[in-house]
Amino acid sequence: GQSLEQPSEVTAVEGAIVQINCTYQTSGFYGLSWYQQHDGGAPTFLSYNALDGLEETGRFSSFLSRSDSYGYLLLQELQMKDSASYFCAVRRVENAGNMLTFGGGTRLMVKP
Amino acid sequence: GAGVSQTPSNKVTEKGKYVELRCDPISGHTALYWYRQSLGQGPEFLIYFQGTGAADDSGLPNDRFFAVRPEGSVSTLKIQRTERGDSAVYLCASSQTSGSYEQFFGPGTRLTVL
Repeated sequence: GQSLEQPSEVTAVEGAIVQINCTYQTSGFYGLSWYQQHDGGAPTFLSYNALDGLEETGRFSSFLSRSDSYGYLLLQELQMKDSASYFCAVRRVENAGNMLTFGGGTRLMVKP
Repeated sequence: GAGVSQTPSNKVTEKGKYVELRCDPISGHTALYWYRQSLGQGPEFLIYFQGTGAADDSGLPNDRFFAVRPEGSVSTLKIQRTERGDSAVYLCASSQTSGSYEQFFGPGTRLTVL
C-alpha cells in the first residue's frame, strides 16, 4: 500500500516563506509531485522531483530526500492568491502509466 | 490551447440511477486518468487509459463503475445503481504520453446522489 502524510492546515502572512512537508510510505516509488488546487478548481501541476535535491521554479521550490521518504514544498514571497490547497503525490509507474497517489492536502491560508 | 473539459459540471441524481460523466482531454494527449475526490481529501485514482484501452483499472471501487475511451480521445465514466457514497467530485486528467509525469486536470464533475 501507499500512504502520504502532510499537515492539514498552514497559515502565513503575505510576503513570508512557508514550507509544507510530506512524508510517504510506498512501494515502486518513481518521484514526488506537488499540485495546487484552489477551492472549486482543478488541481494544477507545480513541480516534480525524481532525484534527491532541490528544484526551483520561480517563487516555488520543491525538495526530495529518497532515503528519508520525505519532501517539502517551499513557497516564498507569499501572495494572497497562494491561498489554496497543496497536495503532494507519489508517482508510481505500472502498466506503462503514471498513476498518482495523493496525500490529504494542506490548506494554506495567506493573511494580509 | 484548450484544456481538459468535463461535462456536466454538476450532476444530481437519485440513489439507484445510472449516470455518465464525460471527459474531453487535451488534443493529442494519449494518456487519460480518472480520479475521485471527496470533500477535504486528495484525489483518489480510479482508472488509466493508454489510447483506447484501460491499462489499469485497479482503483475502480466495484463493478458498478466502468469507463470507456472508444476512439482514444473522449472518455466516459459510467456508474450504475448509484449510491449515496458515490457522491464526490470526479476529476479527469490527461498527459501527453504515458511516460509524462505532468498531468493536466479538468475542473471535475460534482456528483450528488440523493
